[in-house]
Parts: sequence; structure tokens; C-alpha cells
Amino acid sequence: DGGITQSPKYLFRKEGQNVTLSCEQNLNHDAMYWYRQDPGQGLRLIYYSQIVNDFQKGDIAEGYSVSREKKESFPLTVTSAQKNPTAFYLCASSYPPSSGRATDTQYFGPGTRLTVL
Amino acid sequence: AQSVAQPEDQVNVAEGNPLTVKCTYSVSGNPYLFWYVQYPNRGLQFLLKYITGDNLVKGSYGFEAEFNKSQTSFHLKKPSALVSDSALYFCAVRDSHFQKLVFGTGTRLLVSP
Repeated sequence: DGGITQSPKYLFRKEGQNVTLSCEQNLNHDAMYWYRQDPGQGLRLIYYSQIVNDFQKGDIAEGYSVSREKKESFPLTVTSAQKNPTAFYLCASSYPPSSGRATDTQYFGPGTRLTVL
Repeated sequence: AQSVAQPEDQVNVAEGNPLTVKCTYSVSGNPYLFWYVQYPNRGLQFLLKYITGDNLVKGSYGFEAEFNKSQTSFHLKKPSALVSDSALYFCAVRDSHFQKLVFGTGTRLLVSP
């Protein structure tokens, strides 16, 4: 988990409320990713960003939003439009695959567990 | 489209015995393959990866994986299992033409004393 921090560790949301999950990295990686983990479904990509001020939707972007104003930070907002947000959220970072570096391994933060009350 | 399958939800092995966690993949180009481990309520930890070269890849904590192109497999192995190896293991693949990493559904490894 070293180099990537996520906060908070646990988060509780009421119906109709937006919440923001924090992700910060000090690995000097250009690319950052958000995944959602549900039991028995593995990890599903929500959003990813290969460079500051640019991001793309992943496989399950509906009800989520992101920003990438700084290289080190990639916050995820879970909006009220996300009907089933209870899950474990994981942030990751890497050098961009398009950079041609062999070191394109994604490194993960410790995760945030979001529960809807 | 790229995909990865982990056919076993759970693998049970006795401490000291060899272990294998299976993974098969499907990609349209050259595969880049990864194994990660996850302990309860933690993030994923990188174990090893195959990019090119030797088919046997050695990684962290004594784990290794064998890339088999004809069988499109990338099974994770360890010669002697430890109780502390008990965790959830994920295989992932990235096609050389695509930029996204696709994960399997995970295999829970349970090593008994």
C-alpha cells in the first residue's frame, strides 16, 4: 500500500447524499484509477486518468464523478444517482501504459469501505 | 475484448504442500499478465507480472507463475504453502492494444496448519 493513501477508511452515507473519497499518491505516477469491489465480482473500473485535467469513464461510471486537478490527487465523488453504492473502493496508480515503460504495474491504496445507511 | 477467468472460487491446501491458483486469459494481442494478493479489508498487493521473456516468472513471497501461450494460462504457484498465504488472489490481464487492466473474480486460498 505504500505511496498511495485513501481516506477515510470507513464512510457512511445517507440516502440522497453525495460523498467524496480521497486518493493521494507520492509515487510520481501520471495515471490513476478508481475501482469498485463487490463480493464475488472482482474489481470493476469506474474512472481512470492518464494525465492531469483529463479522465475517462471506465466500465461502471454512472453515478460517479472525478476530477484530476493535481498529479498527486484523484478524488472520487459518489453521487445520489448511484443506486447501490455500498462497496469497497480502491484507488490505484501507475505510469501510463502508453508511456512504453515496462514498469506499468498498478499499485493500490488501502481502500475505503462505503456503506449506505 | 480482453478477459480473464479464475475457475476456482476457493483453493484449500495444507501448510507445507505446493499450491496452484489457476488463471486463464483471452486477449487479441500480446498479453500482459499480473497477479495480486488481497488480505481482508486491505488494498491489493502486487505479486508478479509477465510482460515478455521467460515463461516462468518469479515474484514476491516465494510465489511464481508460469505463462503458457498455447493454453492461454498463467497459473500462480508456490512450492511450500504457509498459513500466512491465506488470502484472496486476483489474476489480471492487459492487452498490448488496450490500456485497461481486467481482473478475474478472485480465488480465495485457505492454507490449513
